[in-house]
Amino acid sequence: GDSVTQMEGPVTLSEEAFLTINCTYTATGYPSLFWYVQYPGEGLQLLLKATKADDKGSNKGFEATYRKETTSFHLEKGSVQVSDSAVYFCALRSEKLVFGKGTKLTVNP
Amino acid sequence: EAQVTQNPRYLITVTGKKLTVTCSQNMNHEYMSWYRQDPGLGLRQIYYSMNVEVTDKGDVPEGYKVSRKEKRNFPLILESPSPNQTSLYFCASSLRGRGTSSTDTQYFGPGTRLTVL
Repeated sequence: GDSVTQMEGPVTLSEEAFLTINCTYTATGYPSLFWYVQYPGEGLQLLLKATKADDKGSNKGFEATYRKETTSFHLEKGSVQVSDSAVYFCALRSEKLVFGKGTKLTVNP
Repeated sequence: EAQVTQNPRYLITVTGKKLTVTCSQNMNHEYMSWYRQDPGLGLRQIYYSMNVEVTDKGDVPEGYKVSRKEKRNFPLILESPSPNQTSLYFCASSLRGRGTSSTDTQYFGPGTRLTVL
């Protein structure tokens, strides 16, 4: 069945560091890919999405490119802030929405 | 404001005492779903509903029931809660359901933290 694998955390960075959170997927067909973010004590919010190969999703300085050849959707940000501290979930949606296990990011001042 | 609401946000109960967690959305979405979030396991789908009076099991449906009598509401029912149902629960909705609607964004409620003693 469909599955998502993302790098295990936790990830701890200093402010203004470069962020990469790896995500790879297995799916039949052509899924849409998503990154969701969960801030402490809150529900999940859509961060960005891409619906077809080579699409780049972007929001709030975060980017991810749908790479069909490597079945990947890695999340990147050039300069993280303390306010980016959260749990990040990679997900795909084909027949249903399937989540990775989440990666906790902590950004220190 | 477009949103998904859940109540209660926090609940501590005892084994075997029936409880209901309510979920409501104001976006006229057809598709609604319940997930549980557990450390190291991510989010797992419990039940989903494609539309009114249409519900189906997700990946971990045991011990749960749902109903969809109205489009906006999708309550989660635990008839006889057990400690292994201690978890963080999220309701979500999207405009349409599965398959060809794969581009639809799911909107999540704020979560309900349930503790079963």
